[in-house]
Amino acid sequence: GAGVSQSPRYKVAKRGQDVALRCDPISGHVSLFWYQQALGQGPEFLTYFQNEAQLDKSGLPSDRFFAERPEGSVSTLKIQRTQQEDSAVYLCASSEVPGQGYEQYFGPGTRLTVT
Amino acid sequence: QKEVEQDPGPLSVPEGAIVSLNCTYSNSAFQYFMWYRQYSRKGPELLMYTYSSGNKEDGRFTAQVDKSSKYISLFIRDSQPSDSATYLCATVSYNTDKLIFGTGTRLQVFP
Repeated sequence: GAGVSQSPRYKVAKRGQDVALRCDPISGHVSLFWYQQALGQGPEFLTYFQNEAQLDKSGLPSDRFFAERPEGSVSTLKIQRTQQEDSAVYLCASSEVPGQGYEQYFGPGTRLTVT
Repeated sequence: QKEVEQDPGPLSVPEGAIVSLNCTYSNSAFQYFMWYRQYSRKGPELLMYTYSSGNKEDGRFTAQVDKSSKYISLFIRDSQPSDSATYLCATVSYNTDKLIFGTGTRLQVFP
């Protein structure tokens, strides 16, 4: 079946612009995660949804970052007033049920460059 | 100190070599350990996961966990140029489902 998809694949934003990144998880997957991956580093956790409920947003770096999953499927990560330090690859992952975090499947990521 | 430590490499080996990739972790409460492969400009791809201590084999890949020393290993037998990628070890936070990754080790297998 189809895997996790993300759009856009690449985004260039001028400093101060708002951006919205979309994630389509594997159909039927309850859990959805967002991670941020800086160049040469492993992914770092941002936030976690179980269906439409955002259960953990402890990794969001500032209040400029906001995520939602209103119908329990597609999710959007929004970054307001982008800064250069926001440049990174944003990865979305999903897993079938809660408690199976060890089996997360990732999308291709959105590479954000803030100029 | 990071919760999961991994040597970033790069590691360069000839085709056919046995590759050993390693990580250490700090929290003895971690139970599941994963290896992901990430090709350039792609998302991480789950290779395998292991629960607690022991070995798990899948084709040319063997994952090993030693909980007494908090050491995680991935062995690749008969390495191929197509194995050239970054390999990420990870564990799952014991009270949430969020993944905690190492830095990743860049592997290059040359013909």
